[in-house]
Amino acid sequence: NAGVMQNPRHLVRRRGQEARLRCSPMKGHSHVYWYRQLPEEGLKFMVYLQKENIIDESGMPKERFSAEFPKEGPSILRIQQVVRGDSAAYFCASSNSNQETQYFGPGTRLLVL
Amino acid sequence: KNEVEQSPQNLTAQEGEFITINCSYSVGISALHWLQQHPGGGIVSLFMLSSGKKKHGRLIATINIQEKHSSLHITASHPRDSAVYICAATGGGADGLTFGKGTHLIIQP
Repeated sequence: NAGVMQNPRHLVRRRGQEARLRCSPMKGHSHVYWYRQLPEEGLKFMVYLQKENIIDESGMPKERFSAEFPKEGPSILRIQQVVRGDSAAYFCASSNSNQETQYFGPGTRLLVL
Repeated sequence: KNEVEQSPQNLTAQEGEFITINCSYSVGISALHWLQQHPGGGIVSLFMLSSGKKKHGRLIATINIQEKHSSLHITASHPRDSAVYICAATGGGADGLTFGKGTHLIIQP
């Protein structure tokens, strides 16, 4: 399976815990994007990364959220001290370059109790 | 900042009808994307276009750069086409996609 993989598919956390969402891009893709879809809302851009670099994090909340895409391994979106408002579907997409089609993963549904 | 508007928000049609979903954007872009989100939540990229027209099966996407407008057409619609169709733009100063709010399409048998 050469598609974009995300895990876990579903994640339940209590308020104050940490959530770590993983994204493995398509083989050969070095560009990764994270998007968030709040309940009953549209998709919003969060962050764009290339290998080892954050290119644009203008859509990411300034506090509690961080993202990385290390040289080896998946991209990680980390949410510290989760709150109920963080409950959403988080999608990762990857592409070969910033000018090419983005391929989406299946998403991680985060529920904060 | 780019604004992406879609219409209609909701569309219910009978099987076999020709479907058109419209998308307009406010600033120059490098590409316009059409995405399909299934009831289960997965997102599939249907088209990426920067000019003209593209066709894939029963789906056709067009873009008019001067008018900042794109359309997605579905010919001979089928109940399995029921999904949310999302228009998104790249460029216009943003690195990631800027999304429209989506069109909820229901095709009744």
